[in-house]
Amino acid sequence: QVQVVQSGAEVKNPGASVKVSCKASGYTFTSYIMHWVRQAPGQRLEWMGWINAGNGNTKYSPKFQGRVTITRDTSASTVYMELSSLTSEDTAVYYCTRGSASYSDCWGQGTLVTVSS
Amino acid sequence: QSALTQPPSASGSPGQSVTISCTGTSSDITGYNYVSWYQQHPGKAPKLMIYEVRKRPSGVPDRFSGSKSGNTASLTVSGLQAEDEADYYCSSYAGSNNFVVFGGGTKLTVL
Repeated sequence: QVQVVQSGAEVKNPGASVKVSCKASGYTFTSYIMHWVRQAPGQRLEWMGWINAGNGNTKYSPKFQGRVTITRDTSASTVYMELSSLTSEDTAVYYCTRGSASYSDCWGQGTLVTVSS
Repeated sequence: QSALTQPPSASGSPGQSVTISCTGTSSDITGYNYVSWYQQHPGKAPKLMIYEVRKRPSGVPDRFSGSKSGNTASLTVSGLQAEDEADYYCSSYAGSNNFVVFGGGTKLTVL
């Protein structure tokens, strides 16, 4: 079945970077777009960016432009999201999702990233 | 990048219908037929319920329906059931600069 499985929880110091992975299975990896969406505690969903898993093209939210990098490894059917210059406001659950440019039809289980000194 | 506007809460009794609104602008909802809706139970990942305004993914009950008029999209849940109690988020494609925007979420309570 179609699924995306994310890496485990992370605890980072302010100013550090975090890299979260997302392994896809059950479908043709290169045929879909992969999004990253985050949700701070008790807050709304927030779109961060996407990567076209086929050609590697990326699009980022203006809010995160310059601080987020999304990459993929087609041989491993895996997508990565790296967020730099972390602050406490980046404490959130980060989701990887499969979909089209406008929707996500399969979500990972989420990765909690905690930024604390 | 402005968020879409949803009411913070909605409620209904079992068997009733409830509609949740999602208001955007000419840059997102008005301009594209790419509105989607997600259901999120506490501690769980969101689940796609409606995409491209009114399409239902396989496995989503037909009690869930979507529509759009102007700058406002709506999700209607008919025949409310206890398991429908959850947070619901709308989302819209917002063009080549902002790409994807979400609403603030609506907590649906089944009385």
